[in-house]
Amino acid sequence: DGGITQSPKYLFRKEGQNVTLSCEQNLNHDAMYWYRQDPGQGLRLIYYSQIVNDFQKGDIAEGYSVSREKKESFPLTVTSAQKNPTAFYLCASKFPGTGRNEKLFFGSGTQLSVL
Amino acid sequence: AQSVTQLDSQVPVFEEAPVELRCNYSSSVSVYLFWYVQYPNQGLQLLLKYLSGSTLVKGINGFEAEFNKSQTSFHLRKPSVHISDTAEYFCAVSDPGTYKYIFGTGTRLKVLA
Repeated sequence: DGGITQSPKYLFRKEGQNVTLSCEQNLNHDAMYWYRQDPGQGLRLIYYSQIVNDFQKGDIAEGYSVSREKKESFPLTVTSAQKNPTAFYLCASKFPGTGRNEKLFFGSGTQLSVL
Repeated sequence: AQSVTQLDSQVPVFEEAPVELRCNYSSSVSVYLFWYVQYPNQGLQLLLKYLSGSTLVKGINGFEAEFNKSQTSFHLRKPSVHISDTAEYFCAVSDPGTYKYIFGTGTRLKVLA
């Protein structure tokens, strides 16, 4: 089945530690996204990538980093500079271009908590 | 810059009653508009979208929304809700030229028996 796989489902971070969230898709989508979901704040865009080897900052990129070395993969690293990392993280992808197929496909998310 | 405002954080409604969830957006360019739904402990899925053409769009599960350019709104409606509609609903806007998608803060719809 085609889809987006996020792992792990739950992740714990210690003070000063960097952690990496995985996002893999087998939908052959060009564009991929990372969002952070906090109660009452909706989804906030961290980073997005339109194509391999290219990505743009979203509205809350500070303390996060990404890479896009392969079309299928868009890992997110939460660095120690992110002082409030506890949140639900959602990865998404999109068909290339616009039109009838315009929509985001979401993974099932990773809950990150600080120990 | 684009932004989306969902004024109602929670909307309680009795089963079989109508409901409207409000969404207003701001953008200096033409946009695409979306409503997504997140059921408890699940990911988000698309309810409906407006890209162009008819301002009244119909989606899954009996939901519909109307694009109003003059009021920069895209309110979601359902004439008769069910218990199973209890979920969080997100309005989103995208700029067709940038691939950037911005979401609102969400509205929790709670359908009461």
